[in-house]
Amino acid sequence: GAGVSQSPSNKVTEKGKDVELRCDPISGHTALYWYRQRLGQGLEFLIYFQGNSAPDKSGLPSDRFSAERTGESVSTLTIQRTQQEDSAVYLCASSLRRVTTDTQYFGPGTRLTVL
Amino acid sequence: AQSVTQLGSHVSVSEGALVLLRCNYSSSVPPYLFWYVQYPNQGLQLLLKYTSAATLVKGINGFEAEFKKSETSFHLTKPSAHMSDAAEYFCAVTRRSNDYKLSFGAGTTVTVRA
Repeated sequence: GAGVSQSPSNKVTEKGKDVELRCDPISGHTALYWYRQRLGQGLEFLIYFQGNSAPDKSGLPSDRFSAERTGESVSTLTIQRTQQEDSAVYLCASSLRRVTTDTQYFGPGTRLTVL
Repeated sequence: AQSVTQLGSHVSVSEGALVLLRCNYSSSVPPYLFWYVQYPNQGLQLLLKYTSAATLVKGINGFEAEFKKSETSFHLTKPSAHMSDAAEYFCAVTRRSNDYKLSFGAGTTVTVRA
């Protein structure tokens, strides 16, 4: 079956521009997660959705970052007024319910480069 | 706050040799622990997880890990390395009270020598 997909796979943008990153989770997965992976570092938790509700937004680095999810489907991560330090691979994952009971499946990521 | 430390950013092993990747966590209560693998140009894949059942956890591709509370460790091992094991490996931890928020280590890159 189809896994988690993300688009675009690569995005190059100029400092100050807004970008939107898209995640299509596995059908039926209620939980959706966004992570950021900077070069040479581990994954950094950004936000978690249960359905279309985001009970924990504590990982979002600043108010330039926002995310939304439509029902139990597509999610969009938006970064406004991008900065060079936003350059990273943004990973999306989904799971049936909780990460401790259900396997978390990751997408291939979107590589964002801010010039 | 919980954190994960992976000792060694790069590990090189010979084909057929033991693979040992170290992971230590800091948490006031036993957490849930995970190992993920990221093959070149692919997404992360779950290798195995510890959720307070057996302390020795077996995963895919012949990997296993042992939870040792006294040492706050969750080291990953494989008895005999294969060329296909070349990848980056991440240890991760989450608390039982909010078991959705994974904290990842910085990762260990494994290279396998023929």
